[in-house]
Amino acid sequence: AQTVTQSQPEMSVQEAETVTLSCTYDTSESDYYLFWYKQPPSRQMILVIRQEAYKQQNATENRFSVNFQKAAKSFSLKISDSQLGDAAMYFCAYRSRARTSGSRLTFGEGTQLTVNP
Amino acid sequence: ETGVTQTPRHLVMGMTNKKSLKCEQHLGHNAMYWYKQSAKKPLELMFVYNFKEQTENNSVPSRFSPECPNSSHLFLHLHTLQPEDSALYLCASSQVGGGQGSPLHFGNGTRLTVT
Repeated sequence: AQTVTQSQPEMSVQEAETVTLSCTYDTSESDYYLFWYKQPPSRQMILVIRQEAYKQQNATENRFSVNFQKAAKSFSLKISDSQLGDAAMYFCAYRSRARTSGSRLTFGEGTQLTVNP
Repeated sequence: ETGVTQTPRHLVMGMTNKKSLKCEQHLGHNAMYWYKQSAKKPLELMFVYNFKEQTENNSVPSRFSPECPNSSHLFLHLHTLQPEDSALYLCASSQVGGGQGSPLHFGNGTRLTVT
């Protein structure tokens, strides 16, 4: 079974600065998807960024980018030019591409990000 | 209007009560999910429905009973719950088939307190 670990329960960053959230995962599969979701106080989980394991290029979405290290099974999220609205709980998630796994997402424990003005 | 709507937003119920959580998705997706989010724990997948058929029951106690009458609606019927069932219950939907990279879209959740 796959597992996802986020070793930083809490992180803080100054507004306009850059912060990196860590995520590692364990799997025996070679093809899968990785996601970062954000959960603000409104409680809705919002997709931040997605990475396909067979793509070597790191995904980027505006101020959000990932550092995907497949061999190390590491998938960190970098937030540049942090904004107050980025404050939220961030979850790393894994999805297998195996048909038998359906659409099951395995989540990490989350990292609470605080942005200081 | 958000793509996935959950009601009620908050629910307090006694252990002998029967209540239901409702989820509706407006995204045309063919799969729906129930997740449980407890404090300081990863989200736990409870149930998966693909094309209205339950495809996964992740060892959930029978006091939780899901119902999926069509691809747009999902219910979670609750009865004789325990205090440890207090949590945030999240509904999600996705499009299954083609590439499996379709992300899940979540609702705002129902905060359940069992007294």
